[in-house]
Amino acid sequence: GAVVSQHPSWVICKSGTSVKIECRSLDFQATTMFWYRQFPKQSLMLMATSNEGSKATYEQGVEKDKFLINHASLTLSTLTVTSAHPEDSSFYICSARVFGGSGSGELFFGEGSRLTVL
Amino acid sequence: RKEVEQDPGPFNVPEGATVAFNCTYSNSASQSFFWYRQDCRKEPKLLMSVYSSGNEDGRFTAQLNRASQYISLLIRDSKLSDSATYLCVVNEGQFYFGTGTSLTVIP
Repeated sequence: GAVVSQHPSWVICKSGTSVKIECRSLDFQATTMFWYRQFPKQSLMLMATSNEGSKATYEQGVEKDKFLINHASLTLSTLTVTSAHPEDSSFYICSARVFGGSGSGELFFGEGSRLTVL
Repeated sequence: RKEVEQDPGPFNVPEGATVAFNCTYSNSASQSFFWYRQDCRKEPKLLMSVYSSGNEDGRFTAQLNRASQYISLLIRDSKLSDSATYLCVVNEGQFYFGTGTSLTVIP
């Protein structure tokens, strides 16, 4: 099946630093990827839609200057949390839709990146 | 109003029991429906899509009721390994997630 790989799985950083998270589609091309954030015992919340070759579309309330998204190729999207603060500590997950073959538009998720800002 | 609502549980059931989860959605134009399973501190993984006619995959049965705008997941003969959070996901062009229903299967 389709595989979405995310890196790093865990990251701990000091307040004020920036953290980059990578999301790769390993066996398919993804023109669109989605970035979610999940706080403990809460649902996944869509942060932004990453579009290959163009600007990302951010959800209301998500600061685009703080959460920089780059989708430079059909297999890679990156999320950079700039000037991270403790309240940014969360589980960040990327996903992509798979069409064709055995896929009928389901979302496949990366393994997630757990960010802890000290 | 939330797009997708689920009973968060927790559901604690003995091994071998049958358990059912329901999920309601607010947009009647929703296009497709899914159940995902999420283990603690892991990413969600697709359990099954939900088709209008209902569908079954082994011990798991999913049903869709468009008139009442709810989907359900039935798990028969529960196993310890079924313990997880089950997420209801609705696609309205954008994917909306329920908060998840926590299931613990007890020996």
